[in-house]
Amino acid sequence: GAGVSQTPSNKVTEKGKYVELRCDPISGHTALYWYRQSLGQGPEFLIYFQGTGAADDSGLPNDRFFAVRPEGSVSTLKIQRTERGDSAVYLCASSLNYGNEQFFGPGTRLTVL
Amino acid sequence: AQSVAQPEDQVNVAEGNPLTVKCTYSVSGNPYLFWYVQYPNRGLQFLLKYITGDNLVKGSYGFEAEFNKSQTSFHLKKPSALVSDSALYFCAVRSQNSGNTPLVFGKGTRLSVIA
Repeated sequence: GAGVSQTPSNKVTEKGKYVELRCDPISGHTALYWYRQSLGQGPEFLIYFQGTGAADDSGLPNDRFFAVRPEGSVSTLKIQRTERGDSAVYLCASSLNYGNEQFFGPGTRLTVL
Repeated sequence: AQSVAQPEDQVNVAEGNPLTVKCTYSVSGNPYLFWYVQYPNRGLQFLLKYITGDNLVKGSYGFEAEFNKSQTSFHLKKPSALVSDSALYFCAVRSQNSGNTPLVFGKGTRLSVIA
C-alpha cells in the first residue's frame, strides 16, 4: 500500500520568506508526527497530532513554526520568516495510534539562502 | 529527561562477519525501544522494537536487538553482514510511564559493510 508521502522533496527559499511543507500520512493512521533532521543528527521531534488536534507541540522551536491537520489526514508544516538556521530535512511520520511504530516519509529538504 | 547515546559514529565490518551497533538509553521508568534504518534519499524504515517480554527482539532483514535493563542498552546485531546493510542506523526511546512523551532519537551510526 501507499506509504507516507511528502511534498515538495526539495525546497529552496530566501531568508525571510514563508514556506509550507505537506505530508500525506498512511490512510487510517490517526497519529502524525513532524521531525527535523539536521546534518549528522538524528530526527528531532517538533509536533504530533492525534486526529485533527495538536496533542504535543513542545518541540516547535519558536512561534515562526506552525502546523495544521484540519481533516485529520493531510498535515502542513508552515514556517514564517525563514532563517538560514531552519535549513534541514523535515520528516513526517504516521502511526496507527500513538505509540505504535512510526512510518516515515522521504522528507523535504529545506534550504534557506 | 529521555536520551539516547550511540557511541560510534561509524562502524566498519567485512561482509559475512557479525555486526553490532551500540545503543544506550536513559528514561524514567520502563522504556519503549526502537531501531530504524535510513538509506540515502529514503525515509527512515522501522527495523524492530522492544516493548516488554523476551529481551531478544527479532526484526526485519535478519536484524535482532538485545534489551539489557541493568546496562540500559539495546544493541543491534546481525550474525552475518551484507553489503546491502550499509546505511545509517538510529536507536530511539520513549518512556512507557510518562504519558505520550515524544520519541527521542540518537545521532545515528553509519554502518559500512565491505565486500
